[in-house]
Amino acid sequence: AQKVTQAQTEISVVEKEDVTLDCVYETRDTTYYLFWYKQPPSGELVFLIRRNSFDEQNEISGRYSWNFQKSTSSFNFTITASQVVDSAVYFCALSGTGGGADGLTFGKGTHLIIQP
Amino acid sequence: DVKVTQSSRYLVKRTGEKVFLECVQDMDHENMFWYRQDPGLGLRLIYFSYDVKMKEKGDIPEGYSVSREKKERFSLILESASTNQTSMYLCASSSRASPYGAYEQYFGPGTRLTVT
Repeated sequence: AQKVTQAQTEISVVEKEDVTLDCVYETRDTTYYLFWYKQPPSGELVFLIRRNSFDEQNEISGRYSWNFQKSTSSFNFTITASQVVDSAVYFCALSGTGGGADGLTFGKGTHLIIQP
Repeated sequence: DVKVTQSSRYLVKRTGEKVFLECVQDMDHENMFWYRQDPGLGLRLIYFSYDVKMKEKGDIPEGYSVSREKKERFSLILESASTNQTSMYLCASSSRASPYGAYEQYFGPGTRLTVT
């Protein structure tokens, strides 16, 4: 069975600080995808990134970066120079060939609060 | 851009009423999903559909049914609404999975349902 753990339930930082959201996953699949989503207070989940298990290169997009380490089954998300607009709940998710048909396994989310 | 729309943002219904939640996607996606989201419980999959007229139970199907008569539309039905079905309901869609796993899901804005 697949599992995604986001151990940090809530993180609060002051604006401009860097913050890292942790994601640890379990899967028996040898190939799989990992995802991050953002859910702002408006409620709609916004897709941020998909990574496949072949590619362990870190990804950077503006102030966002993702660190995938297969050896530790982790896919962590860092926001550099955080801003108030980054306040949201962030979900990590996993898919693979062993999961339910075309489904994703979500973590329970990390509530990120950026204080001005 | 992918667009998933849901018929209502907010809905208030009485116990015992039959409730219909509608979801429409415009990206010709094969897969559609219904989740409910409750504080502390994350996203829980109710039902999904991988083709017209096809449906599969998710993790918490009890008290719900679904209908998919057209590819772009997926309806969630609460046959007899109860107070424990008060929740945020999220619809999502995705392309059919690759050989390596499921692709990202795109979410609608959510329907906050209150059953009194």
